[in-house]
Amino acid sequence: DTAVSQTPKYLVTQMGNDKSIKCEQNLGHDTMYWYKQDSKKFLKIMFSYNNKELIINETVPNRFSPKSPDKAHLNLHINSLELGDSAVYFCASSQDPQVQDTQYFGPGTRLTVL
Amino acid sequence: SQKIEQNSEALNIQEGKTATLTCNYTNYSPAYLQWYRQDPGRGPVFLLLIRENEKEKRKERLKVTFDTTLKQSLFHITASQPADSATYLCALVGGGGNKLTFGTGTQLKVEL
Repeated sequence: DTAVSQTPKYLVTQMGNDKSIKCEQNLGHDTMYWYKQDSKKFLKIMFSYNNKELIINETVPNRFSPKSPDKAHLNLHINSLELGDSAVYFCASSQDPQVQDTQYFGPGTRLTVL
Repeated sequence: SQKIEQNSEALNIQEGKTATLTCNYTNYSPAYLQWYRQDPGRGPVFLLLIRENEKEKRKERLKVTFDTTLKQSLFHITASQPADSATYLCALVGGGGNKLTFGTGTQLKVEL
């Protein structure tokens, strides 16, 4: 029944490691997003894909690389993790990339970099 | 610079009262504004969308207003209940490009 799912829910790792977070949506949506929510709860968009094509790429370090194998999946790979990458990462999806469209969020992945 | 500001202080109200949350923005001209609810440990959940040509929108106990002159949206919850306790986020188009930009959220606590 889960509309937007993410794995893992928690991720604890050492600085310098490489890690991936996976996201899947079963809503049949065309557009998927990655957001970062910092310790002050500020939610900021990182990337957006529409039908596997990148359409939004915010000023994010190139250590972050999204990959969309199909329109139901959008994974986030992070290289050389840094302390400042600690945050909650949310995946979201919407029917199309029009900003007035409702976005459906996943449960989040809490990343802690030690 | 562009800003979206919500009450930074938590809002505590008594059950049954109306909660009013504020979203102010500067240097944006949004065509739409959305409100989301976020519970601890969960992702935001969409509540309401209001367009720039709509002054008010209602859904059950929720009401949103949008004043493009004041650059402000108000979010009201009438007959509030403890289950309404959560963080409420406003979001609008802005910051360049076709994307949603979120405010920092207001934490609402409804007490018995």
